[in-house]
Amino acid sequence: DQQVKQNSPSLSVQEGRISILNCDYTNSMFDYFLWYKKYPAEGPTFLISISSIKDKNEDGRFTVFLNKSAKHLSLHIVPSQPGDSAVYFCAASGKSYRDDKIIFGKGTRLHILP
Amino acid sequence: GAGVSQSPSNKVTEKGKDVELRCDPISGHTALYWYRQSLGQGLEFLIYFQGNSAPDKSGLPSDRFSAERTGGSVSTLTIQRTQQEDSAVYLCASSLEARGIRGENQPQHFGDGTRLSIL
Repeated sequence: DQQVKQNSPSLSVQEGRISILNCDYTNSMFDYFLWYKKYPAEGPTFLISISSIKDKNEDGRFTVFLNKSAKHLSLHIVPSQPGDSAVYFCAASGKSYRDDKIIFGKGTRLHILP
Repeated sequence: GAGVSQSPSNKVTEKGKDVELRCDPISGHTALYWYRQSLGQGLEFLIYFQGNSAPDKSGLPSDRFSAERTGGSVSTLTIQRTQQEDSAVYLCASSLEARGIRGENQPQHFGDGTRLSIL
C-alpha cells in the first residue's frame, strides 16, 4: 500500500519555464512533508519542507504548496535551470513520535531541456 | 568531510554470502535511518535508530536483515545469506533528532549509498 504517490515517473520542461512536480498521500496522520532531490550516484539532498499548519512555503526558486483536503502537494521550480535535472522525491511523516519514519514516494525524474 | 559516510561504495558478492554495510553519520546527529532503493523503485524504509535503540524495525524485509548502532554513532547493516533480490542501493541518513523543538522533522542528510550486487 503506497502511502505517498508520485504518479509521474518523468517530466520534461523547457529551461526558464516553471516545473511542477506533484505528490499525493493517503495517510491523514501525515503532518510534515519534504522534498528531496537526487543526482545519479549520490544520496538525496533535502530541498524544502512544509508543515501541515501551512499551505505554502517558499525558498528562492522553490515553492511547495499543500492542499490538505485533497491530500496533495506540489513543488514548483521557477525558473527551471539545467542543474535542476534530477530525480525528485516527495516524502511525508506522521504526528506521533513513533511515526517519525519518513515515507518516500517513488520519485519523478525531471529533465530540463535547453 | 562533514557529511554522512557509507562504506563500501560498491559491493559485489555471491548469493548466500553475508555482507556488512557501514554508515558513519554526521557528528552529533542522534537519529539514523537505513533505506534501500531497488532498480526503478522509490526509497524503502528499513530501520530507524534514535541513539543506540531502534524503536522502529518494521521495514526490515526478513530476519536475514539486522542492524546495530553502538556509541550513538556508527551503524552497521548486516544481510545474512544474501539473495539476488537483495541487490539494491542501500542508503543511510542521519538527522539531529527525529523531531525538532517545534515538532517538525529535522531534514535527513543522506550518504551516497552502497550499491550491492548479488551474483
